[in-house]
Amino acid sequence: GQQLNQSPQSMFIQEGEDVSMNCTSSSIFNTWLWYKQDPGEGPVLLIALYKAGELTSNGRLTAQFGITRKDSFLNISASIPSDVGIYFCAGRPPGGSQGNLIFGKGTKLSVKP
Amino acid sequence: NAGVTQTPKFRVLKTGQSMTLLCAQDMNHEYMYWYRQDPGMGLRLIHYSVGEGTTAKGEVPDGYNVSRLKKQNFLLGLESAAPSQTSVYFCASSYRRQVQETQYFGPGTRLLVL
Repeated sequence: GQQLNQSPQSMFIQEGEDVSMNCTSSSIFNTWLWYKQDPGEGPVLLIALYKAGELTSNGRLTAQFGITRKDSFLNISASIPSDVGIYFCAGRPPGGSQGNLIFGKGTKLSVKP
Repeated sequence: NAGVTQTPKFRVLKTGQSMTLLCAQDMNHEYMYWYRQDPGMGLRLIHYSVGEGTTAKGEVPDGYNVSRLKKQNFLLGLESAAPSQTSVYFCASSYRRQVQETQYFGPGTRLLVL
C-alpha cells in the first residue's frame, strides 16, 4: 500500500531554535494533516491542509501542502520545552476503496532546556 | 463534552484470553476508527465504521473484530489474544468524510499480552 516517508525520525534542538520536518510520498494526496502526540496521550490535530500550495499557520507552527501534492512540511519557530513530543503527518489519497488516512512514522522532537 | 473516550486505559492479558476495548464519542460523529500504534510503525488502521451497524477492514484487521451497534460506540474485540497484539490502541472519530474531514483521537488503551 501507499506509504509516507517522514523525516527526520528524531531530533534534538536547543530551545529557541527553529525546527523543520517533512513528509513525502510517491503518490499524490488530497489532504495533509499534522498531529502532535504527547507521551501517554492520543494524537492531537495541529494543522490541516486541503489544497496544493496551501500555507497555514497555527501560532508558532507553519505547514505547507506541496505543489506536487506528494509532500508537506511542518515548521516550528522558536521552539520551547513544551514542543517535546512526536509529530505525525497523515495524508489522504484521492478516491480509492477507502480514502483513509495514511500516517507517517513520526518525528520525535526533544528540546534541550 | 468529553470528546473521544476509551476504556480501559491499560490491560494485561495472557495468550489466548479475550477482551473488548470500548470507544465512545459524544460529538455525534458518523465515522469511527480503531488504530494500533507500535514503536517505529506510526498508526495503522485496524477497522473502521462509516455509520451505525456498518464496519469495514483497515490495513491490519487480522485477529480483531469490531461492532458498531450504537452511533456513539465502537467496540474492538480480541477473541484470542496473542503477544503480537501487544500495542497501544487508539480510537478516533470524525464527521462524514469530506475534503475537510479531520479525525479526533482518544487517549489510548495500552495492552500487554503475555
